[in-house]
Amino acid sequence: KNEVEQSPQNLTAQEGEFITINCSYSVGISALHWLQQHPGGGIVSLFMLSSGKKKHGRLIATINIQEKHSSLHITASHPRDSAVYICAPLGQGGSEKLVFGKGTKLTVNP
Amino acid sequence: NAGVTQTPKFRILKIGQSMTLQCTQDMNHNYMYWYRQDPGMGLKLIYYSVGAGITDKGEVPNGYNVSRSTTEDFPLRLELAAPSQTSVYFCASSFWNAEAFFGQGTRLTVV
Repeated sequence: KNEVEQSPQNLTAQEGEFITINCSYSVGISALHWLQQHPGGGIVSLFMLSSGKKKHGRLIATINIQEKHSSLHITASHPRDSAVYICAPLGQGGSEKLVFGKGTKLTVNP
Repeated sequence: NAGVTQTPKFRILKIGQSMTLQCTQDMNHNYMYWYRQDPGMGLKLIYYSVGAGITDKGEVPNGYNVSRSTTEDFPLRLELAAPSQTSVYFCASSFWNAEAFFGQGTRLTVV
């Protein structure tokens, strides 16, 4: 069975803190998506990566394919970063399905 | 570019009614997906398609049907709606191993 585990499930931080969200999966993949879902419900793709590290503004995503683990980091967090962050491995076990983790709800307080 | 367009945005159905949720993308993506999101929960894959004429079941396909007659369109059909199908539905599209784009969602209530 293909499984995706995210941690923590909920995270509360103070503005300015460094945030790390982790994602682990059980079988080999071809790539992994990090997505953001805002309180209004809209879903936006943040990163798609298959190796190494990507950076966009204050967001950094890393992946270790061999260890089946990815992390999303937010530097200098801000209240507008409050959202649900979701990892979605692609191609688990050769499948073409894009399956989502349960998400991490981040709240950044001023 | 419009991206991924879902219609309708909201709908109330009575038990036993049927409806089709429309999803259209203008990016020539070959991969398209339908998800449902129950309150406070993560997204569950209903059906997906890897190209015109090809569809396959996801995690929660029961009670739904799809078709993919063109690259652009991927409608989701609900037959005999049940209260358990009350949810928010999202359509997404992408190329393989590339960024995914999502529609705005359809909030469906079955009463």
